[in-house]
Amino acid sequence: DSGVTQTPKHLITATGQRVTLRCSPRSGDLSVYWYQQSLDQGLQFLIQYYNGEERAKGNILERFSAQQFPDLHSELNLSSLELGDSALYFCASSRQTSNTEAFFGQGTRLTVV
Amino acid sequence: AQSVAQPEDQVKVAEGNPLTVKCTYSVSGNPYLFWYVQYPNRGLQFLLKYITGDNLVKGSYGFEAEFNKSQTSFHLKKPSALVSDSALYFCAVRPFSGNTGKLIFGQGTTLQVKP
Repeated sequence: DSGVTQTPKHLITATGQRVTLRCSPRSGDLSVYWYQQSLDQGLQFLIQYYNGEERAKGNILERFSAQQFPDLHSELNLSSLELGDSALYFCASSRQTSNTEAFFGQGTRLTVV
Repeated sequence: AQSVAQPEDQVKVAEGNPLTVKCTYSVSGNPYLFWYVQYPNRGLQFLLKYITGDNLVKGSYGFEAEFNKSQTSFHLKKPSALVSDSALYFCAVRPFSGNTGKLIFGQGTTLQVKP
């Protein structure tokens, strides 16, 4: 158990809908990262928050947004969903941002039908 | 462009034999390098990292990796493979710039260890 908790584990929704994925980082970790894993794109970095503020942005679509709350949990919001958004979404957390490893949650498998 | 390459989609070895999973990277500056393993329907588990110092780093479950700056490689090794090592392995690099912790991942290598 990595200590990173993601909910829900599975999500099935229709095209055009909006969903929210939730992540609780390991105790004491200030950084939260979101990654998308798909068969064609592999593991892609989406966005990072550090202590409530956005720190880095990757290949995140404008339809997607995220935030980190004062208690350090994070949410990834996906809207106007398309079939191609079906993927495994991982949250990870780390103590710092540079030389420490990130610990990953078990992921949320999103299926858009 | 910053990138990580894992040239082999799949590696097959017999149990008890040594294994190597290859990784090369292309980043500016001195990178931080990581290996993760993913079992079916599970998240990524951290195996080991290279930050600085000794080029040979030891990690979890008997794995080790060798950093080679001139060849920009960070190959994962284990002296004696176990069937339970069968999984998907990812090499990742954290570029040493911008004070971000984002990881750039390779495409992954499936390791199959046969009894």
